Amino acid sequence: TQLLEQSPQFLSIQEGENLTVYCNSSSVFSSLQWYRQEPGEGPVLLVTVVTGGEVKKLKRLTFQFGDARKDSSLHITAAQPGDTGLYLCAGRVWGGATNKLIFGTGTLLAVQP
Amino acid sequence: DVKVTQSSRYLVKRTGEKVFLECVQDMDHENMFWYRQDPGLGLRLIYFSYDVKMKEKGDIPEGYSVSREKKERFSLILESASTNQTSMYLCASRIHSGNTIYFGEGSWLTVV
Repeated sequence: TQLLEQSPQFLSIQEGENLTVYCNSSSVFSSLQWYRQEPGEGPVLLVTVVTGGEVKKLKRLTFQFGDARKDSSLHITAAQPGDTGLYLCAGRVWGGATNKLIFGTGTLLAVQP
Repeated sequence: DVKVTQSSRYLVKRTGEKVFLECVQDMDHENMFWYRQDPGLGLRLIYFSYDVKMKEKGDIPEGYSVSREKKERFSLILESASTNQTSMYLCASRIHSGNTIYFGEGSWLTVV
C-alpha cells in the first residue's frame, strides 16, 4: 500500500510565526500536489510540482519537491489566521494510472491571532 | 467559475437504508470521482468515472456503487448503509487526465 505520511498531524501557532509541513513516502511520484481545505469546504489545489528539486512560491507559501521525488515540504512564512485549515499533499505514483492520486494523512493548522 | 455541487450537505440515515449522494459539475469535465475522508486517513478513492457510463473501482469500493448516466452527474449509492460508512464524502471532477481536480463542498453522512 502506498502511503503519504504528513507531519506534524496538528499544529497550533501564533500569527507571524513560520512553520514547515512535511510529506514523506517510500514511493516515487511523477508529480505532487498540495491542497488546503477550510472547515466545511472541499480541498482546493494550491500547487503542483513535477520536477525533482523543484521549488515553487505562492506569496508566503514555499513548496519543495524532494530530489528523489519521494517527499515534499510546505513552508509558510509569517503565518496569518487566514492560513488556518487542513493541508493535504497528494501524489501521482510514477508509472501509475493518471487517475490514481494518493492523498496524505493531512496536517491541521490553526493560526491564532 | 468552476462549480462542483453536492446536493446533500448533511444526512442522517439508519443502518440498512439505501443512500444516494448526488454530485453535479458544470464544467463539462470527463472525469469524476468519489472520495471519502476520515480523520488520520486522508482521502480515499471509492470510485472513478472516465466518462458517461464508464466507471472504475478505487481503493475502497466495497459497499458502494456508482451511476454516471449524464456527463455532468455522478451519483454514489450505498446499497445498505452501515455504521462504518459514517464519513465525509467528497465528489470531484477534472478534464480528462488533467492536473487540477475540483472538489465539491462535501456531504457529511451519519449512519445510526
